[in-house]
Amino acid sequence: GQQVMQIPQYQHVQEGEDFTTYCNSSTTLSNIQWYKQRPGGHPVFLIQLVKSGEVKKQKRLTFQFGEAKKNSSLHITATQTTDVGTYFCAGHSQWFNDMRFGAGTRLTVKP
Amino acid sequence: DSGVTQTPKHLITATGQRVTLRCSPRSGDLSVYWYQQSLDQGLQFLIHYYNGEERAKGNILERFSAQQFPDLHSELNLSSLELGDSALYFCASSVPLDGEQFFGPGTRLTVL
Repeated sequence: GQQVMQIPQYQHVQEGEDFTTYCNSSTTLSNIQWYKQRPGGHPVFLIQLVKSGEVKKQKRLTFQFGEAKKNSSLHITATQTTDVGTYFCAGHSQWFNDMRFGAGTRLTVKP
Repeated sequence: DSGVTQTPKHLITATGQRVTLRCSPRSGDLSVYWYQQSLDQGLQFLIHYYNGEERAKGNILERFSAQQFPDLHSELNLSSLELGDSALYFCASSVPLDGEQFFGPGTRLTVL
């Protein structure tokens, strides 16, 4: 089963509203990655976080890695219709000795 | 374009049949991952090969098998196909074991 949990499964927002997706692992992660999959497309790498408490920004996207390296979040400020897609987190752990993807959060944005 | 190629793009077959999906990783990438994505579902990790050796297995059925060849391309073999095997199959490649994964465009398999 999934060792990396991601919530919510779906999120519908009005354009301009903020959006956050959360990722949690039962084990300590050595790193966490975030991917975006547009409808009909393939997952595309967004960012990788490695350090405890790390925060990285990409324009309106803010990524955080928890202090215990067991959770992460992706926050989008003032969503746009171009943000539509499914956002996946993926964590690497020595426990499962590989990368594991969360189930993804599907974001829809109403103009 | 991620640099990862997958063939065929689409595959339509009947129950009970066997198919082979092919993936060519980016030049220099030693790792190849296979994922299954059913309609509106997440990415189910199937298997990971690193430099020709099986590295990790996920939720891969016994009817499915894979291998990575010396030139690093990989094949995923699906046999005794069932309706429920209809899905999008992605492969991805990366350089380090825990690095950024580059996904191919996927193979859409339809089992009738």
